[in-house]
Amino acid sequence: DTEVTQTPKHLVMGMTNKKSLKCEQHMGHRAMYWYKQKAKKPPELMFVYSYEKLSINESVPSRFSPECPNSSLLNLHLHALQPEDSALYLCASSQVRAGGHNEQFFGPGTRLTVL
Amino acid sequence: LAKTTQPISMDSYEGQEVNITCSHNNIATNDYITWYQQFPSQGPRFIIQGYKTKVTNEVASLFIPADRKSSTLSLPRVSLSDTAVYYCLVGEDNYGQNFVFGPGTRLSVLP
Repeated sequence: DTEVTQTPKHLVMGMTNKKSLKCEQHMGHRAMYWYKQKAKKPPELMFVYSYEKLSINESVPSRFSPECPNSSLLNLHLHALQPEDSALYLCASSQVRAGGHNEQFFGPGTRLTVL
Repeated sequence: LAKTTQPISMDSYEGQEVNITCSHNNIATNDYITWYQQFPSQGPRFIIQGYKTKVTNEVASLFIPADRKSSTLSLPRVSLSDTAVYYCLVGEDNYGQNFVFGPGTRLSVLP
């Protein structure tokens, strides 16, 4: 199984809502990532988890709260978002090996719209 | 972080070979060069990675000159399904650390 799944595919939420994005992989990868991608722009790294511990937080606002309950699951909790947070949110996973790039496997993303 | 520059867009015709060049003048000794492909409304997909000289796999080749200040992704005999955005990334990977997607090249393959 070389697939990363993300749910939901689409999400529309108001600025006062609380919602969560979910990501799952069963490739035994011990690094998982959240990216944000605006239209016609490259993906921007938000968070990295390594062995279920947060290793990178790219100065993301606290209204985004990541969680890694186990080695297969990654969540992104959303609260009090702004319209400018509307974007495609991508999850990825990879092995953790030294030397060179660890190929990242991406999910299809969640298209988020904040009203 | 090594900054990368790529052409914003390229057009090609089916059956042609396409070469996309990425410039990375401040590449560090330990940095690798990696290319990803992204179709609309999908996540990026790994294509190829290299450190120096030439790397070839079943879908592409990556040419890296001795000074490593640039690299060229070569796609042989493109088809319409190769229409996508191609990202060049340079970095020493520590599971995402020091690893940033470049601006990308939008390749359009025409019939």
